[in-house]
Amino acid sequence: QSVLTQPPSVSGAPGQRVTISCTGSSSNIGAGYDVHWYQQLPGTAPKLLIYSNNNRPSGVPDRFSGSKSGTSASLAITGLQAEDETAYYCQSYDTSLSAYVFGTGTKVTVL
Amino acid sequence: EVQLVESGGGLVQPGGSLKLSCAASGFTFSGSSMHWVRQASGIGLEWVGRIGSKADRYATTYAASVKGRFTISRDDSKNTAYLQMSSLKAEDTAVYYCTRLSGTPSDHWGQGTLVTVSS
Repeated sequence: QSVLTQPPSVSGAPGQRVTISCTGSSSNIGAGYDVHWYQQLPGTAPKLLIYSNNNRPSGVPDRFSGSKSGTSASLAITGLQAEDETAYYCQSYDTSLSAYVFGTGTKVTVL
Repeated sequence: EVQLVESGGGLVQPGGSLKLSCAASGFTFSGSSMHWVRQASGIGLEWVGRIGSKADRYATTYAASVKGRFTISRDDSKNTAYLQMSSLKAEDTAVYYCTRLSGTPSDHWGQGTLVTVSS
């Protein structure tokens, strides 16, 4: 059972903005550990989408943005496109578990 | 070009053992921590464990679910990381990825190797 909770699914029409929350606790996100976001297309390995809370690797469209506040983080996708329909995971570190942790995952559906 | 290539997956009986390999290229393997992450079919990502670099004295840490059963090692002369799995259970069935999990743009993942634990 993951210590980072995400909504199982979010949806939006093309062009709309959607956000995915990642709720943690004082032993992970709230302790100051960075949050990273991954996009995983079916049958492929996860791909880093956002690192260190709000940074995009080269090649990631600026439609994707991240933020962090308190014990939570969020991934926002603006101008939703059909190709964004896939799974997204947040990731951080938990000092109580002495373990790296992933969120429960969110499936984005483009209506 | 950075590449991580896992191998060694397959079908194993409950209680059995299996050793996965992760061959790395395109970056300074000896200076990098390496992680293993797994994903059961249709389920989310689960961190399995990590091995540090020589500078980190090759320190290892594991998820509670595998501690005492799985061992991560590395051979820097071969640019390869390993995941030795023993006392395997049905719930260990998953695709196993090796990754730098660096939290930086140098984050890279292999293509994964499937481990199936079944009689």
